Amino acid sequence: QVQLQQSGPGLVKPSQTLSLTCAISGDSVSTNSAAWHWIRQSPSRGLEWLGRTYYRSKWYNDYADSVKSRMTINADTPKNQFSLQLNSVTPEDTAVYYCARGWYQLVFWGQGTLVTVSS
Amino acid sequence: EIVLTQSPGTLSLSPGERATLSCRASQSVSSSYLAWYQQKPGQAPRLLIYGASSRATGIPDRFSGSGSGTDFTLTISRLEPEDFALYYCQQYGSSPIFTFGPGTRVDIK
Repeated sequence: QVQLQQSGPGLVKPSQTLSLTCAISGDSVSTNSAAWHWIRQSPSRGLEWLGRTYYRSKWYNDYADSVKSRMTINADTPKNQFSLQLNSVTPEDTAVYYCARGWYQLVFWGQGTLVTVSS
Repeated sequence: EIVLTQSPGTLSLSPGERATLSCRASQSVSSSYLAWYQQKPGQAPRLLIYGASSRATGIPDRFSGSGSGTDFTLTISRLEPEDFALYYCQQYGSSPIFTFGPGTRVDIK
């Protein structure tokens, strides 16, 4: 059974960088049968897919247009985890952030992290 | 971008009743790429249905999915107390790769 454990700060100041990590157990971040995603949820935007990383002989990343210029997903193979960095945050980025595993659908999810952007 | 619309916004039913939730896409969606999730307060979404009609592991058979093209349906044949929750449809496509509907809340009448 795959388990995803999220970590990271719950409060970020405006203009700073939001950083979250998702530690994987029961699978490998470099598996060639799935992708690793970040999704967020807020009352104003609902569930919003942010991006994914996956390994198919090399690493690939895809991002939603809404965050493409500000977001980076990195995989850490030795630690078997992946991370999200979102730069230049504003209060609009306040949301519950989830990591997840899947390809056409998202089968396994992290527990969620409420991130508040406020000074 | 494919937009998903869910109806109704809220469904008020009693335990034991049948729930029918609708998900409509702005463009045709491959059935292979349509999924349904259940979400309870304070929890992450849980995958119920994938490929429009296949139940995920451990999902009771009172949950069923159907549909094709632009119209998809999630049916809960007899509502149990634990089924009162939010339900989302999701499609897999391109740019953005995943989109979700706004959700249908099923609450106790």
